Amino acid sequence: DAGVIQSPRHEVTEMGQEVTLRCKPISGHDYLFWYRQTMMRGLELLIYFNNNVPIDDSGMPEDRFSAKMPNASFSTLKIQPSEPRDSAVYFCASSTLDKYNQPQHFGDGTRLSIL
Amino acid sequence: SQQGEEDPQALSIQEGENATMNCSYKTSINNLQWYRQNSGRGLVHLILIRSNEREKHSGRLRVTLDTSKKSSSLLITASRAADTASYFCATDFGNEKLTFGTGTRLTIIP
Repeated sequence: DAGVIQSPRHEVTEMGQEVTLRCKPISGHDYLFWYRQTMMRGLELLIYFNNNVPIDDSGMPEDRFSAKMPNASFSTLKIQPSEPRDSAVYFCASSTLDKYNQPQHFGDGTRLSIL
Repeated sequence: SQQGEEDPQALSIQEGENATMNCSYKTSINNLQWYRQNSGRGLVHLILIRSNEREKHSGRLRVTLDTSKKSSSLLITASRAADTASYFCATDFGNEKLTFGTGTRLTIIP
């Protein structure tokens, strides 16, 4: 089975540029989560979707960040304009949910460097 | 913050020894999960323990949960070099999200 697929794996760009990160969740999963991981702050939840609808975006740091899920098999996280402090590893994860939370399946992340 | 706290932050042991990591949290949970992260990779789910369970096993992994102390432990027995990774606990407070702890970096010395 294909896992969660993220692209690109690495992104290096200059401050002020637009950055788009992409995620393909596991087929059949109805929850999708975007996380950011840094040494200083650990793993932070940015936003999550249920059935393609954003449920909680309280973790999105600023208006420069936006996320969409146009269909069940694709999501994007966009940063515009990017800043050096946005440098981090961004993870996408997907899961299903029944009475109890099910395990989340993570992609291998996008390592983002803003110069 | 509801974030779980792992203890210790880092642990180095000889191959073959047992490794124990602890996780503490602050409010009532539905379940608690443990994940492993190898360098440069995403997190991988290891085991889930529900709030009404006290112990769970999976291969060389043993997880305990003490809801009265709001703590959990992960024991890896007979450690191997391939167990070198960071380990995270994640708590489910019943709101569809998981809150991840700060992680324990485990190094197995061959």
